[in-house]
Amino acid sequence: DTAVSQTPKYLVTQMGNDKSIKCEQNLGHDTMYWYKQDSKKFLKIMFSYNNKELIINETVPNRFSPKSPDKAHLNLHINSLELGDSAVYFCASSHGRDTIYFGEGSWLTVV
Amino acid sequence: GEDVEQSLFLSVREGDSSVINCTYTDSSSTYLYWYKQEPGAGLQLLTYIFSNMDMKQDQRLTVLLNKKDKHLSLRIADTQTGDSAIYFCAENPGSSASKIIFGSGTRLSIRP
Repeated sequence: DTAVSQTPKYLVTQMGNDKSIKCEQNLGHDTMYWYKQDSKKFLKIMFSYNNKELIINETVPNRFSPKSPDKAHLNLHINSLELGDSAVYFCASSHGRDTIYFGEGSWLTVV
Repeated sequence: GEDVEQSLFLSVREGDSSVINCTYTDSSSTYLYWYKQEPGAGLQLLTYIFSNMDMKQDQRLTVLLNKKDKHLSLRIADTQTGDSAIYFCAENPGSSASKIIFGSGTRLSIRP
């Protein structure tokens, strides 16, 4: 009965590779997000989608491209991975403002 | 502007109350949240408070909101070892319904 699930949970890859993280929510929410948590635990929003439309893009490099095939899915594709992309990426979803639910996170390590 | 600040560390004795404080800058924030993150885990929504409320209580958790001073606090009564985690304060700024801004997180450690 997982509400927001993301895969993979752990990902180790070499610089220059392209990788994707998938996210799915079964809560019927209309808004989905990607957040990045750096090594100092700071959390920052990257993207927000509402009904498959991009509504927030917080100065994220073009190498990051979100894709929302439907309301329940928001995937994150990253091209030409760099060392600085190493972080934990959290997917989240919400309906309205009151509750935003997060996935368990995807730990990305670029070597 | 949109900014949320909280102290980085708090250490309390087991059985005591923990009070984690947070200040925010956006006076038009509608919702304010507390999230908990245990080591190696995701973010768990603990509680939230709507901006027209002063207080919200949920079992061992009490949230106090001082809207005039833009100050939010989370009190955990009878703190247990399982409460060890990072606690994030977050706001939903009035300018955007579609994002929340997080503080830096307060790492709560419990002494025996």
